[in-house]
Amino acid sequence: SQELEQSPQSLIVQEGKNLTINCTSSKTLYGLYWYKQKYGEGLIFLMMLQKGGEEKSHEKITAKLDEKKQQSSLHITASQPSHAGIYLCGAANTGNQFYFGTGTSLTVIP
Amino acid sequence: DTAVSQTPKYLVTQMGNDKSIKCEQNLGHDTMYWYKQDSKKFLKIMFSYNNKELIINETVPNRFSPKSPDKAHLNLHINSLELGDSAVYFCASSRYLGQGFYNSPLHFGNGTRLTVT
Repeated sequence: SQELEQSPQSLIVQEGKNLTINCTSSKTLYGLYWYKQKYGEGLIFLMMLQKGGEEKSHEKITAKLDEKKQQSSLHITASQPSHAGIYLCGAANTGNQFYFGTGTSLTVIP
Repeated sequence: DTAVSQTPKYLVTQMGNDKSIKCEQNLGHDTMYWYKQDSKKFLKIMFSYNNKELIINETVPNRFSPKSPDKAHLNLHINSLELGDSAVYFCASSRYLGQGFYNSPLHFGNGTRLTVT
């Protein structure tokens, strides 16, 4: 079974709408990372969360970490077509393996 | 300047052939990785090298062999290619895999799309 489950699996929103992507871990989190992948390209690092309750923002993207729930959420405000792509959460386990979530495909309709 | 570069970007080959994918990073990182992304976009780690030494070798067929001539390069050789090897392969790098690992995000190349016919 996957250690990091993301929801929803895919999302289609109208430009200007807000949206949230969730990432839930089945194991203790030692830091949580968010990446974006544009179709046909590599992964771009968005932000890293290390402590429970931590919240970070980059432009219109905000991510939060809830250590107790072993969960992180990524929120996009006033979405734009440039936000389209695949969003992946990632984490490291005690074996120093860096693994990824199941991914969320975002489409923003102009 | 590209931080993590992979070549080739596309690779189309027939079953049974042997092929290589090259990866180079100019970030001064000590640790490099190979990931495989399947058709469902799921990323799975294959190998991890720290200072040219193998750290992680996930359950991949021994037809896949990583080679790290120096800490800036991690190449992937694949022998006797099979249809199921078709995927996008990503190289990545990070700072030292150790106590500070959780503070070091991975930097990815743009991927190599391998198609086996």
